[in-house]
Amino acid sequence: NAGVTQTPKFRVLKTGQSMTLLCAQDMNHEYMYWYRQDPGMGLRLIHYSVGEGTTAKGEVPDGYNVSRLKKQNFLLGLESAAPSQTSVYFCASSKALGSNQPQHFGDGTRLSIL
Amino acid sequence: AQSVTQPDIHITVSEGASLELRCNYSYGATPYLFWYVQSPGQGLQLLLKYFSGDTLVQGIKGFEAEFKRSQSSFNLRKPSVHWSDAAEYFCAVGASGGSYIPTFGRGTSLIVHP
Repeated sequence: NAGVTQTPKFRVLKTGQSMTLLCAQDMNHEYMYWYRQDPGMGLRLIHYSVGEGTTAKGEVPDGYNVSRLKKQNFLLGLESAAPSQTSVYFCASSKALGSNQPQHFGDGTRLSIL
Repeated sequence: AQSVTQPDIHITVSEGASLELRCNYSYGATPYLFWYVQSPGQGLQLLLKYFSGDTLVQGIKGFEAEFKRSQSSFNLRKPSVHWSDAAEYFCAVGASGGSYIPTFGRGTSLIVHP
């Protein structure tokens, strides 16, 4: 049972480089989310998607872009990485509409920007 | 908009002792409430959830939580803590009318002494 899979698990970038984080879920979930987790800040929502082909901004979207071309995949892009984007990134998915749906999380991507 | 507060950043208990982690929420109507656990290096896992009905809910790993509307609280409890319970715990609240994205607290780190 794979659930939510994030690729890669670790990455080190230099300032100004670009990269894409991949999230894949095999539960046929409609909703997908990208969060960042920083010490003492909990989880902060970056972007989310309510279905294939749709995306929306969350609490901290600046410096990130996302795409949901296929229902099972949700990509998070950093066009020009900055040290402030050093964080642990989590992808999550949930079954359907409604905030009573629990979220299923991946194991995270640890990203360091030098 | 809903919000959630976890007053304790760190909690230290001895193995075998009882545990209570606090969660206070702010929302005008009946909320949807969740507790998640994050073990080191892993993503978040759902412990339990409250939507309606019995205000005492049972979860996995021997955890329970009680919804108290009068106190706007949803505290997590366990009668006897095991060393493997050492982790980060997150409370989340979802709005029952409209918003589909739960809001997370900043987390409480549980330290278990042998």
